Formats: sequence, structure tokens, C-alpha cells
Amino acid sequence: GENVEQHPSTLSVQEGDSAVIKCTYSDSASNYFPWYKQELGKGPQLIIDIRSNVGEKKDQRIAVTLNKTAKHFSLHITETQPEDSAVYFCAASHANNDMRFGAGTRLTVKP
Amino acid sequence: GAVVSQHPSWVICKSGTSVKIECRSLDFQATTMFWYRQFPKQSLMLMATSNEGSKATYEQGVEKDKFLINHASLTLSTLTVTSAHPEDSSFYICSARGTSGGARDTQYFGPGTRLTVL
Repeated sequence: GENVEQHPSTLSVQEGDSAVIKCTYSDSASNYFPWYKQELGKGPQLIIDIRSNVGEKKDQRIAVTLNKTAKHFSLHITETQPEDSAVYFCAASHANNDMRFGAGTRLTVKP
Repeated sequence: GAVVSQHPSWVICKSGTSVKIECRSLDFQATTMFWYRQFPKQSLMLMATSNEGSKATYEQGVEKDKFLINHASLTLSTLTVTSAHPEDSSFYICSARGTSGGARDTQYFGPGTRLTVL
């Protein structure tokens, strides 16, 4: 089955700096890669996703890149703000198979 | 769009009682809904997958007689924790996957239910 690894587990940046979170997956058939943001005491919220037919997708300060050959994808947050502080999860799935999640990255943006 | 609600948001119950948690997709139809459990500072642990009108598929190690799941319609799934014990205390989160279009692969999560068993 699919195995998703996520790094780093914790990340601390200064406000205004960029943050990068990386994930690798094992199943080459995976073709859908969402990223979720989870704030304390809340459910995960989808912030961006990418499908295997594209290599990069951007939405304002958030971007995701995908390297299918290497089987890894990354989340990039630019001009970080304190409200970006949260736990971020990557995930991978294909067709109607179960989505597998990474272990999460706790991002802290220091003002 | 793609809003998933959960009720209740938190519940405290006595050991031995049963608790029902509802998960609803408010603006889309969900053929498949998922139930997760999350311990503090840990990732999401998939408990079971439910498809509308059929029995749920439970992950290894999850007791199906203890965690009863019903997915009676395309917008509602329920999780009942039977004979709850303190070790069942956790954050339970549901998600729903759309049936068509761009929502077909995407899972949208509910806000979670904090269960505390005394």
C-alpha cells in the first residue's frame, strides 16, 4: 500500500520568510496529492492540491510542486504570517483508494 | 462549497454509555465518508471507510462492534461509540469524498468531535 513520509516534523520561521515542507510517496500509481492545514482543535482544511498531470500549482502565497519521477511533492509558503502557524499534512491517493497522510509538520511563524 | 459538518463538536460521557457522532456533507453528495481518530500531536488514523448503502470497511485493529458506522444517505454518516471507556477519549474527525467532478478525489473534513469519557 501507499506510504507517505513528511519532513520536517517541526518548522519554525520568522514572519516574512518562506517555509517548505516535503513529502515522499511510495505508490507510483498515486495521482492526487492534497495538502491540509489543521489549526488547534479543528478539522483539517484543504489548502491546495495537485494532480499528477501537472508539475506545479500556485494559489497566492501557497504553491505545490510535484516530481513524479522522484515521487516527491512539496508545499511552499511565501511571505509567511503568524496566522500560517498550524499543522500541515500532505496526502497521496489514486482512483478511489484510501488517502494516506503524512505524519504532519508543525509550522510556527514568529512575529 | 464542500462543507462538512459534525455534531456534536464536543461531548463528555460516563464510562459504559454510548455516544453517537453525526457527519453531514452540506452542499455536495458523498458516496464515501471516512472516520478518523486523532491523538494529541499525532496524524490522522483512519478507522473506517463507509459507502452509502453498504457496510463499512474497518481498518485493522478497529473493533467494528465497538465503533458502529452507518451511512444511510449520500449526505449523512454516523459513528456510534458503544460502551465507551476512558481510553476511547479522543478527537474524532469525519471526511466526505464527492461523487463527481473536481470533488471526486478530494476529501473534505468536518471540524471534529472531542470525546471525553469519564
